[in-house]
Amino acid sequence: DAKTTQPNSMESNEEEPVHLPCNHSTISGTDYIHWYRQLPSQGPEYVIHGLTSNVNNRMASLAIAEDRKSSTLILHRATLRDAAVYYCIPPLAAGSYQLTFGKGTKLSVIP
Amino acid sequence: DAGVIQSPRHEVTEMGQEVTLRCKPISGHNSLFWYRQTMMRGLELLIYFNNNVPIDDSGMPEDRFSAKMPNASFSTLKIQPSEPRDSAVYFCASSLQTGTISPLHFGNGTRLTVT
Repeated sequence: DAKTTQPNSMESNEEEPVHLPCNHSTISGTDYIHWYRQLPSQGPEYVIHGLTSNVNNRMASLAIAEDRKSSTLILHRATLRDAAVYYCIPPLAAGSYQLTFGKGTKLSVIP
Repeated sequence: DAGVIQSPRHEVTEMGQEVTLRCKPISGHNSLFWYRQTMMRGLELLIYFNNNVPIDDSGMPEDRFSAKMPNASFSTLKIQPSEPRDSAVYFCASSLQTGTISPLHFGNGTRLTVT
C-alpha cells in the first residue's frame, strides 16, 4: 500500500515561511500528491495537489522532488490561522476516491 | 456556496439507542463520503456514494451501521443500536468526481458521544 512519512509536529513563528516535508517513496508514475489540513474543531480542508511540477495556489505552494519520492508544502507567511494538522495523502491515481489520512503534521504557530 | 452541512453538530445518547446523522452535500456534487475520526484510529472512510449509489461500504464497521442517500441532496448515517465505542466525530464530504482530481469538501462534523 502507498504510504507517506511526515514529522509528527513542527513549530513556526508567525509571518515566517513554513516548509512541511513528506516522503512518499512508493509513488507510481501517474499518482497525484495531495495535501489537506484540519483546523481545530473543523473538518479537513483541501490545500493543494500536484503531479510532477511545482504548484501554487492562494493557500500554499507545493514543491515536488525531481524523483517525486518526496514533496514539501510551503506556507509563505504563517499566520495563527494556519495552526492545524497537515495531511500528506498517500499518492493516488486521477479519479481515485480513496483518500487515506495518516496522523499528519501538527503545525503550531507562535505569535 | 453553503458548503457541506451536517446535523446535528453534537449528539449525546445512551447505549442501545438509535442515532441518525444527516448530511447535505454541496449542490451539483455527485460523490458523497462518510468518514469517522477518533484519536486512536484517525480518519477512516466508512462509505462512498457516487450518483446516490453506494460504491464502497467496506469501511462500515458492522451491521449496526447503515447509510442511505435517497437523493442527490441528502444522506443519512444510522447506528442502531449505538455503543460507547461508536463515540467519535463523524464527517461527511462531497466532491464532483470527473475522473480527474476532485478535492473533497468536508462538513464540520457531528461529535457523537454514546454513554
